Amino acid sequence: KQEVTQIPAALSVPEGENLVLNCSFTDSAIYNLQWFRQDPGKGLTSLLLIQSSQREQTSGRLNASLDKSSGRSTLYIAASQPGDSATYLCAVSMPGANSKLTFGKGITLSVRP
Amino acid sequence: DTGVSQDPRHKITKRGQNVTFRCDPISEHNRLYWYRQTLGQGPEFLTYFQNEAQLEKSRLLSDRFSAERPKGSFSTLEIQRTEQGDSAMYLCASSPRQYSYEQYFGPGTRLTVT
Repeated sequence: KQEVTQIPAALSVPEGENLVLNCSFTDSAIYNLQWFRQDPGKGLTSLLLIQSSQREQTSGRLNASLDKSSGRSTLYIAASQPGDSATYLCAVSMPGANSKLTFGKGITLSVRP
Repeated sequence: DTGVSQDPRHKITKRGQNVTFRCDPISEHNRLYWYRQTLGQGPEFLTYFQNEAQLEKSRLLSDRFSAERPKGSFSTLEIQRTEQGDSAMYLCASSPRQYSYEQYFGPGTRLTVT
């Protein structure tokens, strides 16, 4: 059974800092991996999707990398801003599994002005 | 707005009552998913539709839960005889036929059972 872990559960950084959020998964035979952002009481916003054949994806100040063989992904946020404060979730899908997502518990990020 | 929409956004009900939630996916997305999220946890998969066919149901989906997607368009999730343990955020997502199967989520329905 696939398990996704995100540690630490919470992170607080000063504005302007570059930071890395980690995600690990137990079964490396994934189909793809998505990073999401969730604001309190809201739905999920897709940030980046990495296919299993890809190593990284970039969007603006965000860069996500994937090391399938070691079961790890990182989300890099450059020059963090208070508006980046939210919970960041990673999720993986498996081949032939209707592409349903298995999520980690998320990392709650607070960026201090 | 062409995103995924859900209705209602909030629902408060008494234990034992029935509730129904609606999800409207992005048009032309043939795949539709329901997830449930409790406080401090990541979303957990409940059920999956491809067009109008319900192809997978999680063991989390007890007999009190039923979902439909008539004509492969909107979907409904009904909970009968609600229990306090059903209190959660119910999230709907859709994805297109194409290779990536990227999922797009709606704003969710927050259910509180008193």
